[in-house]
Amino acid sequence: GESVGLHLPTLSVQEGDNSIINCAYSNSASDYFIWYKQESGKGPQFIIDIRSNMDKRQGQRVTVLLNKTVKHLSLQIAATQPGDSAVYFCAERDRGSQGNLIFGKGTKLSVKP
Amino acid sequence: EPEVTQTPSHQVTQMGQEVILRCVPISNHLYFYWYRQILGQKVEFLVSFYNNEISEKSEIFDDQFSVERPDGSNFTLKIRSTKLEDSAMYFCASSEARGSEAFFGQGTRLTVV
Repeated sequence: GESVGLHLPTLSVQEGDNSIINCAYSNSASDYFIWYKQESGKGPQFIIDIRSNMDKRQGQRVTVLLNKTVKHLSLQIAATQPGDSAVYFCAERDRGSQGNLIFGKGTKLSVKP
Repeated sequence: EPEVTQTPSHQVTQMGQEVILRCVPISNHLYFYWYRQILGQKVEFLVSFYNNEISEKSEIFDDQFSVERPDGSNFTLKIRSTKLEDSAMYFCASSEARGSEAFFGQGTRLTVV
């Protein structure tokens, strides 16, 4: 079936380095993508989103890239900080849905001081 | 900043009992969702609710589950005859529109013993 998944389950980076978290999706009908951050014991927290008519979107220290040709989504975090340590999920929404999101498995980001 | 609130934060129940998980979505939001996350796994969509009716549901959301908006502020998930495998974090989310970002609550941890 169609699903959203992640290439790597864990990522360890040095504080101050840039982080790149990747996500593959298979539903060509998805028109909206979101990255969420989840800290232990908390709910998913919105980081950044992108619509399928764009290929790049920047926020504060974060950038999301969308490559629809290969169905790939990435989250770039600049100057990673200890507070960025969390599990990161990508999620997609089918354009025909009522807004429900399909989540990937998550990548655990660990930032070493 | 407005937020989605969920109660209780932790619910322990005996197998076979019924539980009601409560959520107060953000006040001007029109779309409401329930998701669940089994420990260590990805977030899974259960149901979406709009205009006082279910707009979409997943295969997980069978006759054991029901949702209700009993008044203008609360949104509840009822799980009848709970099973051990219903143990999970249950997240409520809301969004202003179908195409806008979904905000998640902190979740209710349901433990079925």
